[in-house]
Amino acid sequence: EPEVTQTPSHQVTQMGQEVILRCVPISNHLYFYWYRQILGQKVEFLVSFYNNEISEKSEIFDDQFSVERPDGSNFTLKIRSTKLEDSAMYFCASSDVIAVQETQYFGPGTRLLVL
Amino acid sequence: DAKTTQPPSMDCAEGRAANLPCNHSTISGNEYVYWYRQIHSQGPQYIIHGLKNNETNEMASLIITEDRKSSTLILPHATLRDTAVYYCIVKYGGGADGLTFGKGTHLIIQP
Repeated sequence: EPEVTQTPSHQVTQMGQEVILRCVPISNHLYFYWYRQILGQKVEFLVSFYNNEISEKSEIFDDQFSVERPDGSNFTLKIRSTKLEDSAMYFCASSDVIAVQETQYFGPGTRLLVL
Repeated sequence: DAKTTQPPSMDCAEGRAANLPCNHSTISGNEYVYWYRQIHSQGPQYIIHGLKNNETNEMASLIITEDRKSSTLILPHATLRDTAVYYCIVKYGGGADGLTFGKGTHLIIQP
């Protein structure tokens, strides 16, 4: 069964450094998402991406975040200058729309720790 | 904020049916009810969704009331591996909208 994959599974970085989180969505999917989950808190939507542009973003997704689909298979989330509060699990998801019904499938996540 | 209300936790005996309720009294006509679950810190896993008719798949059944203001997810024969946080999410069926997760129901399957 096709699945969303994410790399790395864990990343430790110093405050102020840039990180890039990578995702390979399910191959025939057209919509891509990033979510985060701070330890012990709810899963929060960050951004959605369709047709090579951001479709929707939350208030969390400020100027320090960016997303890109650099090639036909990868979808990345870049955090330009990490802060301590960026420590969280980051989940990528992808979906397709069939008959106006969209189901998102999530990857296993990247655990980011900012020191 | 999430547009659904779920009990924070529930217990169920292994092998029994687990019935997880969800209230979504402000649901609009073109919004679907989706259920996801999250096992420990893994990525959320899609379970099932529906608009107004009851739905069943290999994982679960979804019962939606006639007025669509509430629904119940049924795991027919719960196993220990079904211990997870279950999220009921109301969302327009079309693409590119982010899912709004609430706190969900922590279902604990007891041996």
